[in-house]
Amino acid sequence: SQTIHQWPATLVQPVGSPLSLECTVEGTSNPNLYWYRQAAGRGLQLLFYSVGIGQISSEVPQNLSASRPQDRQFILSSKKLLLSDSGFYLCAWSVSGGRGSPLHFGNGTRLTVT
Amino acid sequence: AQKVTQAQTEISVVEKEDVTLDCVYETRDTTYYLFWYKQPPSGELVFLIRRNSFDEQNEISGRYSWNFQKSTSSFNFTITASQVVDSAVYFCALSLATNAGKSTFGDGTTLTVKP
Repeated sequence: SQTIHQWPATLVQPVGSPLSLECTVEGTSNPNLYWYRQAAGRGLQLLFYSVGIGQISSEVPQNLSASRPQDRQFILSSKKLLLSDSGFYLCAWSVSGGRGSPLHFGNGTRLTVT
Repeated sequence: AQKVTQAQTEISVVEKEDVTLDCVYETRDTTYYLFWYKQPPSGELVFLIRRNSFDEQNEISGRYSWNFQKSTSSFNFTITASQVVDSAVYFCALSLATNAGKSTFGDGTTLTVKP
């Protein structure tokens, strides 16, 4: 069966510090990978998605970047965090090429920028 | 552009009551997929159901049922005989056939079931 791991679960970082969140998927090959952010009391905003190694699409301009160095690894980064980067970050995967494939989410990372 | 609206921000019911969560969507595409996800207090989103735009058949799974009506662009979710464990945030989402699985989410409805 497929599993998705995301870490860390919580993170408190000062403004201006770097960020690295990691997500890995097991039990499937060539998945589509996604980073979503959930602000308090709001829905999920798609930040990045990837359909293959090294292929990253950004949905919104921001202070963050993403990379996919391996087939089942997805990393969210920032060189200098802003207060507005605080939120709940969720990694997800779906079946590649699967039309209407649902998203399968990790447990999320709660980031607080102080 | 696509849009998903969940007008109910919060709903509170007493255990064993029935509750319906509303979802209205907007898209110009003729082929699309609708989803419901549950987010319990632990934070992880769990997939509940998917419907494609060509299948308006309603579905029942235990205490859960879904009513998809293209005429009103709605995909409502009903929980029958609610239980405390149903307390969660519920999200409706829309995905197009052409967009690599990217989903547009509503803002969610927080359901609280009181004992």
